Amino acid sequence: QLVVTQSPSASASLGASVKLTCTLSSGHSNYIIAWHQQQPEKGPRSLMILNSDGSHSRGDGIPDRFSGSSSGAERYLTISSLQSEDEADYYCQTWGSGIQVFGGGTKLTVL
Amino acid sequence: QVQLVESGGGLVNPGGSLRLSCAASGFPFSDYYMSWIRQAPGKGLEWVSYISGNGANTKYADSMKGRFTISRDNAKKSLYLQMNSLRAEDTAVYFCAREGHSISGTLNWGQGTLVTVSS
Repeated sequence: QLVVTQSPSASASLGASVKLTCTLSSGHSNYIIAWHQQQPEKGPRSLMILNSDGSHSRGDGIPDRFSGSSSGAERYLTISSLQSEDEADYYCQTWGSGIQVFGGGTKLTVL
Repeated sequence: QVQLVESGGGLVNPGGSLRLSCAASGFPFSDYYMSWIRQAPGKGLEWVSYISGNGANTKYADSMKGRFTISRDNAKKSLYLQMNSLRAEDTAVYFCAREGHSISGTLNWGQGTLVTVSS
């Protein structure tokens, strides 16, 4: 069964970096994912498409402070030079065999 | 630029029906898969359904099969979601989303429309 798992919360200080993790279920370690950001009281925004080899393509207008990487079944989103507006929920998404699935989201707090 | 504007949400009784619409602009609508994705209050994102550019290929999440129908009118650049036999657990903000030329990750999102199922 295709599932993606995320930690419910993360925190980091203003100006620092943070690395969020999305884990693909067994047998799906080569799947492509997408990362999305949802700021409070707003609709989601697509950040990037992230391949199993770590290559990624950012969405229009997404700053290069947002980067992606991969290792096995793990997909990462790194945000550098954290700003207050980065405080948001971050979701990973994958797809296959006629379905799409989302992780439960990680709530990022910027201290 | 890409714009997706949902409409049609509101309050509906359990067992009732509602039709959501999404007006798209800023891209060649018929070239892209489109999806509906929902978010219950205080919860995460849940994929509902997607449809191919020509409307021939549709898929649904298991809990929506047989109750929801996705469709599109490429001439009007519009996406629809017909929701029947609504339940309290269908209460959510429903987002219209642009996919790629195939299902390859959501590229753009609308602002959403709220559906509340309650008596």
